[in-house]
Amino acid sequence: GIQVEQSPPDLILQEGANSTLRCNFSDSVNNLQWFHQNPWGQLINLFYIPSGTKQNGRLSATTVATERYSLLYISSSQTTDSGVYFCAVEIGQGAQKLVFGQGTRLTINP
Amino acid sequence: NAGVTQTPKFQVLKTGQSMTLQCAQDMNHEYMSWYRQDPGMGLRLIHYSVGAGITDQGEVPNGYNVSRSTTEDFPLRLLSAAPSQTSVYFCASSYGGAGYEQYFGPGTRLTVT
Repeated sequence: GIQVEQSPPDLILQEGANSTLRCNFSDSVNNLQWFHQNPWGQLINLFYIPSGTKQNGRLSATTVATERYSLLYISSSQTTDSGVYFCAVEIGQGAQKLVFGQGTRLTINP
Repeated sequence: NAGVTQTPKFQVLKTGQSMTLQCAQDMNHEYMSWYRQDPGMGLRLIHYSVGAGITDQGEVPNGYNVSRSTTEDFPLRLLSAAPSQTSVYFCASSYGGAGYEQYFGPGTRLTVT
């Protein structure tokens, strides 16, 4: 089956720093989503980005489907950005199945 | 809209007990699915449904049953709980099939002793 790999597995930064999280996938996918899992366990949709670039405030994401990777950029990090960031790729014909990466645990220190 | 809701938030079961995890959505979404998240891992698909009366298996379906009698509800049943089913369970929904964004519920933390 498809492999989804995220890097780095852990990232510790000071408040105000910028970061780039990467998601590589091993096969063609229908779509890709980025999620933030906050310290309370809730999954929050960040981006739905099958290709191209999207921006939402301090966050932006780029997916290059032909090269099978996606990047999530976080600028001017805040402590509330802490948590685990997951990318999930959508596979399957007609049915929507998400395959998740292992996540990047981001810790922002004040 | 309440979005995707799940009950209970926490549950402790003894090995061999059965229970049903509830999931409901009020967004008139056709697609619903169940995932489990084990410590330090991403989510894995258990079962999914493309509409009322239609369900199918995901990546890790063993030990779980589902049914979809209405558009709004998609319960997950554990027939005989095992310690390996200790996990956090997430329900998700989306408007349609491939190409639509999925929305997740708050999760149910299940411990089987």
